[in-house]
Amino acid sequence: SQKIEQNSEALNIQEGKTATLTCNYTNYSPAYLQWYRQDPGRGPVFLLLIRENEKEKRKERLKVTFDTTLKQSLFHITASQPADSATYLCAQSNSGYALNFGKGTSLLVTP
Amino acid sequence: GAVVSQHPSRVICKSGTSVKIECRSLDFQATTMFWYRQFPKKSLMLMATSNEGSKATYEQGVEKDKFLINHASLTLSTLTVTSAHPEDSSFYICSARGTGSTAGELFFGEGSRLTVL
Repeated sequence: SQKIEQNSEALNIQEGKTATLTCNYTNYSPAYLQWYRQDPGRGPVFLLLIRENEKEKRKERLKVTFDTTLKQSLFHITASQPADSATYLCAQSNSGYALNFGKGTSLLVTP
Repeated sequence: GAVVSQHPSRVICKSGTSVKIECRSLDFQATTMFWYRQFPKKSLMLMATSNEGSKATYEQGVEKDKFLINHASLTLSTLTVTSAHPEDSSFYICSARGTGSTAGELFFGEGSRLTVL
């Protein structure tokens, strides 16, 4: 079965730097990958969606890439701020229905 | 954007009792909603897909008689945890698919923290 793997180690970076989070999938290429932000005790909030035939997608300070050869998506936050500290979830779906989530990577941006 | 509301946000109950969690799409109609549960520092695990006007589809390993799902209208799905036990304590989150310009996005509720004593 398809597995979504995210680095479970927390990522600590300094304010102003670029944070890069990794999401790998194990089997078939999903139709699209999505990235969500989750704060403690809250539901996930949608950030970006990238389709299988797209290499890169941007939204303000966020950038997502999709490499079907490496079976990997990278999520970048440029000019990071302490308010960006949260857990970031990668999820995949083929049919547009339910999502299969990774465990998430915790990001801590320090001043 | 689309808003999904869950209620209650927190509930504490005694072992053996039943708890109902509501999930509402506030400004759009959702023919399909999804119920997830999340344990601390773990991923969201899909429990079931709730379909308006028909039976829910449960994921493998999820007891349908224990987690009753009702999707009676296009804006409301409910999850009832029957005869709750301490191991049912978890964070339950519902979501609904966007429509129109937000099709493909999943909008999540704020989650419901269930603690069974």
